[in-house]
Amino acid sequence: KQEVTQIPAALSVPEGENLVLNCSFTDSAIYNLQWFRQDPGKGLTSLLLIQSSQREQTSGRLNASLDKSSGRSTLYIAASQPGDSATYLCAVNAGANNLFFGTGTRLTVIP
Amino acid sequence: NAGVTQTPKFQVLKTGQSMTLQCAQDMNHEYMSWYRQDPGMGLRLIHYSVGAGITDQGEVPNGYNVSRSTTEDFPLRLLSAAPSQTSVYFCASSYRDREQFFGPGTRLTVL
Repeated sequence: KQEVTQIPAALSVPEGENLVLNCSFTDSAIYNLQWFRQDPGKGLTSLLLIQSSQREQTSGRLNASLDKSSGRSTLYIAASQPGDSATYLCAVNAGANNLFFGTGTRLTVIP
Repeated sequence: NAGVTQTPKFQVLKTGQSMTLQCAQDMNHEYMSWYRQDPGMGLRLIHYSVGAGITDQGEVPNGYNVSRSTTEDFPLRLLSAAPSQTSVYFCASSYRDREQFFGPGTRLTVL
């Protein structure tokens, strides 16, 4: 069974800092990996999708990388802002869009 | 497009009651899924469907039933609610193994 781990569980940074969130998974046979953002009491918002054949994907201040062979992905957030405060979830697609989720990293950006 | 919609937003049930959580999408997505989110455990897949008339079990299917008679709708039925089913339920849809879109969730409490 696919296991997904996210480290750290919580992170607090001052505004403007660049930061990296980590995600690791145990089975490298994946279709793709998706990063989500979740605000308290809300649903999930898709941030980036990386296909298994890709190494990285960028959207604005966000950059996600994927190293399938080592079972790792990172989400890089540049020039963090207070509005980036949320929980970030990593999910691995094992096929038929069955997603296995990590427990998330709770990010707080301090003004 | 309304995207993925879920009703109700909140529900309180007594042990043994049954109910149906509704999910609909207007993006003509083939794949639809139900997840539950519990503190400290991340999101876990309950049931999924890869098209009308086709459903399958996910990681935690016990106590839940699904059917998919149309592309748009994917209801989740709780047959006899138990306190262990207290959770936040999310419905999601995607075009095959592409980016997955989530609904706003249903908060269910079983007393």
